[in-house]
Amino acid sequence: DQQVKQNSPSLSVQEGRISILNCDYTNSMFDYFLWYKKYPAEGPTFLISISSIKDKNEDGRFTVFLNKSAKHLSLHIVPSQPGDSAVYFCAASRGDSSYKLIFGSGTRLLVRP
Amino acid sequence: DVKVTQSSRYLVKRTGEKVFLECVQDMDHENMFWYRQDPGLGLRLIYFSYDVKMKEKGDIPEGYSVSREKKERFSLILESASTNQTSMYLCASSRTPGANTFGSGTRLTVV
Repeated sequence: DQQVKQNSPSLSVQEGRISILNCDYTNSMFDYFLWYKKYPAEGPTFLISISSIKDKNEDGRFTVFLNKSAKHLSLHIVPSQPGDSAVYFCAASRGDSSYKLIFGSGTRLLVRP
Repeated sequence: DVKVTQSSRYLVKRTGEKVFLECVQDMDHENMFWYRQDPGLGLRLIYFSYDVKMKEKGDIPEGYSVSREKKERFSLILESASTNQTSMYLCASSRTPGANTFGSGTRLTVV
């Protein structure tokens, strides 16, 4: 049973528009959430994170929103650029095993020029 | 530039062989991890180590073992490779929770 779910395997967006990637989780004990980005033939790289005490965290073009009551988080990329085309994984951890990340299955984002 | 290096990019092994996947990090991180990535399943944690000679099972440790004799090196061992262990294997290290630095991966095919 997957505790972290990314229900959209792929997303296609026009350059300059907003990309919204979604992630749902089932374990209410999760208190830290992350997004990783993966290009082909490379390992995932950390993108942005959010603690459960916040509902929003922003870093440049990337913003992560957390809705604890809905057990949902989303990553917004504005404006989207072709170089953002990659697979995005969300991940979660809980305080008593904070080094153990539980990953979603990933969403492949294609930003069209 | 900090690095996690996995010794092989591609490996092809036969069923029943003992397979070693090696990972080295140069960041003096205490924590090291082995994941496998499969389509539709994302990354799943096999084992992690929080110190030399210390290890803890992840979510899918069956069929695998690990070795950490030195801080910078973390090895994943498939005692008797099987076709269902064909996958992309990713090593990572971290000093703080969640801040994993990943290697580029080893694509293992077991025939």
